[in-house]
Amino acid sequence: QGQLVQSGTEVKKPGASVVVSCKVSGYDFSSLPITWVRQAPGQGLQWMGWINVYNGHTDVAQEFQGRLFMTTDTSTTTVKMEMTSLRSDDTAIYYCARVSQIRFDYTWGTTRLDVFDMWGQGTVVIVSS
Amino acid sequence: DIVLTQTPLSLSVTPGQPASISCKSSQSLLHSDGNTYLYWYLQRPGQPPQVLIYEVSNRFSGVPDRFSGSGSGTDFTLKISRVEAGDVGVYYCMQSLHLPSYTFGQGTRLEIK
Repeated sequence: QGQLVQSGTEVKKPGASVVVSCKVSGYDFSSLPITWVRQAPGQGLQWMGWINVYNGHTDVAQEFQGRLFMTTDTSTTTVKMEMTSLRSDDTAIYYCARVSQIRFDYTWGTTRLDVFDMWGQGTVVIVSS
Repeated sequence: DIVLTQTPLSLSVTPGQPASISCKSSQSLLHSDGNTYLYWYLQRPGQPPQVLIYEVSNRFSGVPDRFSGSGSGTDFTLKISRVEAGDVGVYYCMQSLHLPSYTFGQGTRLEIK
């Protein structure tokens, strides 16, 4: 079935960058996209972006554009998410999740993610001076 | 931007009793392809979210048939026919029609009486 295992807690100062990794196992690494969702303390879920693991294409939510970068490493079957210029309100749990499939929407000319069917355990990122 | 509004924000249910959560969208989630892109996720305490329902009413693999989804257009409902202790957590609806962003509702916390 597969498993996503994320890297451990990170503590960063404002203005710094953080890299969170998501180790994939148990299924064909390149076959399914990975998406990222975060959850601030006591808050709800916020979608951040996704990466097509097969071809490296990424799509980032507008509020994170220019600060969020996603990459893949086929040799280690790992997806990495880097966020730069951290602020205190970036303090959150960051989750990677597998997407069950992607569909191309010919009407809207866009790619649509399907179910987020498998999640990592989450990585706590604390941004504090 | 599209907004998903869930009600109630919290509910307390006696085991064996039903529960119902509403999710209202600021815009229709019906696509011209006939699909409605509304999903339900459950986040148990201390756990990552897990999918329950996709495209309004389809239970994901392994989800008990106590869970059901319904609705159309802008109004959707998640129902639990008989609540169990393991159903405790926060339930989120999510839309994937109005891209480029995938929007979650604010969540509904379910607790057991």
